[in-house]
Amino acid sequence: SAVISQKPSRDICQRGTSLTIQCQVDSQVTMMFWYRQQPGQSLTLIATANQGSEATYESGFVIDKFPISRPNLTFSTLTVSNMSPEDSSIYLCSSFGLAVSYNEQFFGPGTRLTVL
Amino acid sequence: ILNVEQSPQSLHVQEGDSTNFTCSFPSSNFYALHWYRWETAKSPEALFVMTLNGDEKKKGRISATLNTKEGYSYLYIKGSQPEDSATYLCASSGAQKLVFGQGTRLTINP
Repeated sequence: SAVISQKPSRDICQRGTSLTIQCQVDSQVTMMFWYRQQPGQSLTLIATANQGSEATYESGFVIDKFPISRPNLTFSTLTVSNMSPEDSSIYLCSSFGLAVSYNEQFFGPGTRLTVL
Repeated sequence: ILNVEQSPQSLHVQEGDSTNFTCSFPSSNFYALHWYRWETAKSPEALFVMTLNGDEKKKGRISATLNTKEGYSYLYIKGSQPEDSATYLCASSGAQKLVFGQGTRLTINP
């Protein structure tokens, strides 16, 4: 399994500001994933971050709103830009383990974001 | 079924009782079914990955079954303990992506 840490663990932000969430994996991984869970909703994939190429965004998510960086094989950031109360969610990053098995993913502890 | 659906959304169980809940998923193009346990402020913890119709997996007091033909999985907890309180997520995977249900929030009452 992979051990994944995230910073910050929680934050309260004002409308119109931006927040960058950091994700660190304890081993080199090719793919990292960013999810969000809005209150009462499913965990939803935002984008897949590959090292050395642009992130691949899912339908309904755009780079201007959720820019992602992937500078190396152990680190990624997700920025939530120009925030509104609808962005209040838990944001999680994940990756595959060292041996990819049936797409099993390992998750960070999440960043709990509240936008006022 | 187009999405992954879990029921019930929440559940309160008395300590010592057994319980179960359901995950429904699209049976076409099935690849694997995942169960996770997610405690507040912690990382979702992988419980089981199941791929074959009729699969049964067990970890301690928790077990799961899989029916790929009809597109459902059951998670069972025997003799519930307070530490079982968590949200249980299921996800169907394919093409390197996981599609999650909304989760079942389980609370064990002492």
